[in-house]
Amino acid sequence: DVKVTQSSRYLVKRTGEKVFLECVQDMDHENMFWYRQDPGLGLRLIYFSYDVKMKEKGDIPEGYSVSREKKERFSLILESASTNQTSMYLCASRRGGQPQHFGDGTRLSIL
Amino acid sequence: GENVEQHPSTLSVQEGDSAVIKCTYSDSASNYFPWYKQELGKRPQLIIDIRSNVGEKKDQRIAVTLNKTAKHFSLHITETQPEDSAVYFCAAGDSGNTPLVFGKGTRLSVIA
Repeated sequence: DVKVTQSSRYLVKRTGEKVFLECVQDMDHENMFWYRQDPGLGLRLIYFSYDVKMKEKGDIPEGYSVSREKKERFSLILESASTNQTSMYLCASRRGGQPQHFGDGTRLSIL
Repeated sequence: GENVEQHPSTLSVQEGDSAVIKCTYSDSASNYFPWYKQELGKRPQLIIDIRSNVGEKKDQRIAVTLNKTAKHFSLHITETQPEDSAVYFCAAGDSGNTPLVFGKGTRLSVIA
């Protein structure tokens, strides 16, 4: 069974801090994704990666960056956290053309 | 690029009734259409998916239909139960590595 693990379920940070959200998958999937989920807005794609060291912008990349140094790990970075980045963040992984699997999510609060 | 519209945004049904959620997509190259269920506080989980070489797929009380010509697909839940209450997301994608495009979700409430 595919397992996508996000490092934190809940995280509280202050404005201006650099924030790291970590995601690890155990199924050797080449594709990994970071989404943001807000009420009424559905799942919005921030960044994705289809291979190690490769990254592509999604629909809302502003204020975020990512890192994929190893195939199983995909990190989302908030360079300087702001209150409008308070949200639920979901990581996912997928082999091309196959079902996508999500992590449990990180609820991030920026104070 | 692909655009997925999902309706309705909220749906209330009586226990035992059927529920139907509809999605349309814009890119004729899309050939993979999954549906996800997200219960409160939990991750979205795949409940059923369909590929463009079939028109309908069933799994117990859940079925999905696909009309490639009209570019729409629907989720049908029969004999609804309170545990079906959740947010449901449709998505569309291809067989390659491009990201799935999700609808905005439907909040289904099953009233006992």
